[in-house]
Amino acid sequence: AQTVTQSQPEMSVQEAETVTLSCTYDTSESDYYLFWYKQPPSRQMILVIRQEAYKQQNATENRFSVNFQKAAKSFSLKISDSQLGDAAMYFCALNSGYSTLTFGKGTMLLVSP
Amino acid sequence: DTEVTQTPKHLVMGMTNKKSLKCEQHMGHRAMYWYKQKAKKPPELMFVYSYEKLSINESVPSRFSPECPNSSLLNLHLHALQPEDSALYLCASSPGQGRLAIEAFFGQGTRLTVV
Repeated sequence: AQTVTQSQPEMSVQEAETVTLSCTYDTSESDYYLFWYKQPPSRQMILVIRQEAYKQQNATENRFSVNFQKAAKSFSLKISDSQLGDAAMYFCALNSGYSTLTFGKGTMLLVSP
Repeated sequence: DTEVTQTPKHLVMGMTNKKSLKCEQHMGHRAMYWYKQKAKKPPELMFVYSYEKLSINESVPSRFSPECPNSSLLNLHLHALQPEDSALYLCASSPGQGRLAIEAFFGQGTRLTVV
């Protein structure tokens, strides 16, 4: 079985500031992938960033980066230079072995001007 | 084309109605998924089709009936739904299951209201 835990139901950040969303996970597999998805009010789930477990280097996509701590089973998302368009629900997700995506409960990110 | 298209975007139906949700992708993906999402909750997996065959049914009530007529199209037939079935229904596709599922694309969903 695989589990994903997001302990922050809601986070707030001001424009241009940096915010970090937390995620911990558990899996017995050695080969797995971790994801952060963004779901704005438009409803579509958009892949923000993906991390392969066997890669030690943290993934980065423009203003989005992750801090992947494999031993601690931690996978946090850092958003730099926050923009109003970053406001959304963010889901951490895990895909291990031959199972399907398991999502965390989500963190609602509020961005203020 | 990296889109998953879902129609309709909104649907209101009575408890005795029969309706269908449609999902289409033209990325050559061979796995397609239906998820149900309640407000402020994560998506919950309902069904997975792999190579047009049902591979996972997460104990979904029979009033939800999936169909995969071809590799590009996925339907969800609805009959005798309950008000608690009101939710956002998301479709997704990926090149395949397992490791190939790491490239999953989602549609914008159908907002279903059962009255």
